[in-house]
Amino acid sequence: AQSVTQPDIHITVSEGASLELRCNYSYGATPYLFWYVQSPGQGLQLLLKYFSGDTLVQGIKGFEAEFKRSQSSFNLRKPSVHWSDAAEYFCAVGANYGQNFVFGPGTRLSVLP
Amino acid sequence: NAGVTQTPKFRILKIGQSMTLQCTQDMNHNYMYWYRQDPGMGLKLIYYSVGAGITDKGEVPNGYNVSRSTTEDFPLRLELAAPSQTSVYFCASTRDRYSYEQYFGPGTRLTVT
Repeated sequence: AQSVTQPDIHITVSEGASLELRCNYSYGATPYLFWYVQSPGQGLQLLLKYFSGDTLVQGIKGFEAEFKRSQSSFNLRKPSVHWSDAAEYFCAVGANYGQNFVFGPGTRLSVLP
Repeated sequence: NAGVTQTPKFRILKIGQSMTLQCTQDMNHNYMYWYRQDPGMGLKLIYYSVGAGITDKGEVPNGYNVSRSTTEDFPLRLELAAPSQTSVYFCASTRDRYSYEQYFGPGTRLTVT
């Protein structure tokens, strides 16, 4: 069965600083990988996804993520964080033709002015 | 399109009461899901459905029931509410088994006391 870990429970960065959120997965086959963002009191919004091909994927709001098969990682990055990026971020892996998504525990991002 | 809608937004139940969380999507998606979100635990899949009349258990189905009589609606039933069911519940949908991109509703915050 697949699993997802996000080693950082809470990260604080200053506005304008760069950001990297870590995600490691365990899955026997080629994974379908996702990053979602959840603003307070809201549902989850898809930031980006990786299915195949180019291992560097671009998403919305200036985010990107890189799939590294050798490290079983799918880290999320942003070169310059904005105060509005403060939220919780979830990494997820999909399998079994959409019948099974597994989410990581989430990383809460705080942004200092 | 309204996307995925959930009602109610908030609810307080007494132990032993029952209730139904409503979920409707207007995107003609075949796959629908119910998750619960507990602090620091990410999202756990309760039940999912691959089409009208077809449902199956996810990771944490105990204490819940679902039905799928139409493509649009996927209600979640709690028969005998317990404090352990205090959580935030999210409904989601995907177009089909190949799309993988999940669309989430805004969530229902349920407290059982």
